[in-house]
Amino acid sequence: AQSVTQLGSHVSVSEGALVLLRCNYSSSVPPYLFWYVQYPNQGLQLLLKYTSAATLVKGINGFEAEFKKSETSFHLTKPSAHMSDAAEYFCAVSATANQAGTALIFGKGTTLSVSS
Amino acid sequence: DGGITQSPKYLFRKEGQNVTLSCEQNLNHDAMYWYRQDPGQGLRLIYYSQIVNDFQKGDIAEGYSVSREKKESFPLTVTSAQKNPTAFYLCASSTAKPGPIMRQPQHFGDGTRLSIL
Repeated sequence: AQSVTQLGSHVSVSEGALVLLRCNYSSSVPPYLFWYVQYPNQGLQLLLKYTSAATLVKGINGFEAEFKKSETSFHLTKPSAHMSDAAEYFCAVSATANQAGTALIFGKGTTLSVSS
Repeated sequence: DGGITQSPKYLFRKEGQNVTLSCEQNLNHDAMYWYRQDPGQGLRLIYYSQIVNDFQKGDIAEGYSVSREKKESFPLTVTSAQKNPTAFYLCASSTAKPGPIMRQPQHFGDGTRLSIL
């Protein structure tokens, strides 16, 4: 069955520091992976997606993620944090048809705090 | 602009009352979803629909009901049988067609926060 584990429910960085948010997945088939960002009291916004074309995926707002099959990981990074990056981040893996149709399976989320 | 509209933004439920959350999309997407979000638990799937007049239960469907009479609309009713309805509810849609795996991302509305009076 598909599943996602996000390591660390809360990550704190200083402005200008590297951001690293960890995501490991379990998938019975070649996975499709997604990172979303959520600001308070809002819906989720797609940051980037991996759909097997390239292992290094670039997204919006300077974020990128690298798919590593050997490590079953899809960690999200940004070289230099900005105050506006403070939000909750969710990693998701595509479900298989016998698990939940066309839905996504989400991790529990990581809250990113950025201090000045 | 195309998107997903959820209403109301805030909703209060009295004991024994059913309440309905609205979700409308103008993205011409076939598939629609309802998720429940609780602090520290991520998003959990309540119901999803891949086509008009058809829908399936997700992981936590008990106490909820849905309908899909139009492609654009997927309302969620929180019934009195749902004993712990306080949560943030998110509606999403995608272009996904039925198949072995979903490739397309989901687009989300801005959510409805439901509380008990």
